[in-house]
Amino acid sequence: DVKVTQSSRYLVKRTGEKVFLECVQDMDHENMFWYRQDPGLGLRLIYFSYDVKMKEKGDIPEGYSVSREKKERFSLILESASTNQTSMYLCASKSGSANSPLHFGNGTRLTVT
Amino acid sequence: GDSVTQMEGPVTLSEEAFLTINCTYTATGYPSLFWYVQYPGEGLQLLLKATKADDKGSNKGFEATYRKETTSFHLEKGSVQVSDSAVYFCALAHTGNQFYFGTGTSLTVIP
Repeated sequence: DVKVTQSSRYLVKRTGEKVFLECVQDMDHENMFWYRQDPGLGLRLIYFSYDVKMKEKGDIPEGYSVSREKKERFSLILESASTNQTSMYLCASKSGSANSPLHFGNGTRLTVT
Repeated sequence: GDSVTQMEGPVTLSEEAFLTINCTYTATGYPSLFWYVQYPGEGLQLLLKATKADDKGSNKGFEATYRKETTSFHLEKGSVQVSDSAVYFCALAHTGNQFYFGTGTSLTVIP
């Protein structure tokens, strides 16, 4: 089974702090993703990466950056956290094959106060 | 552009009732279709998938058939259990890495 592990289940940060969300997958997948999930808005793609050091903006990249220095690890960075970034953050990975599904981690619930 | 529309919730059913959650999609070509389930406090788990027209995906008693003529992928289960209480998401994937999710349908099953 694919395992996608997010380093924290819950985080509480203050406005203006720099926040790192870490995600590791164990299946040698080429593709990794960061989504945020908010009530009534569903899942929205922040960034994805199709290879080490490669990244693409998703639908809502503003206020976020990402890092992929190793194939198994994909980090989401909030440069200066704001209250409107309080949300559930979901990491996912996917193999390179066309019809393969996304595999999600358990999520990180971030609260910015 | 591509999109997924699924029925609004919440849905409340008694144990052993029949479940249908409607999902329709808009897409060019031949997308792959998925159902995911999210239990409270957890991430999304793949429930089933179908990759071409008339394919039926099935898992844990849930089924969905890829209907190209009606652009639908409705989720069904013949007899729900309390443990099926969760949020269900329909999704499509087109050209590899671009996934489109519905807004989710919350299901509560009461004993």
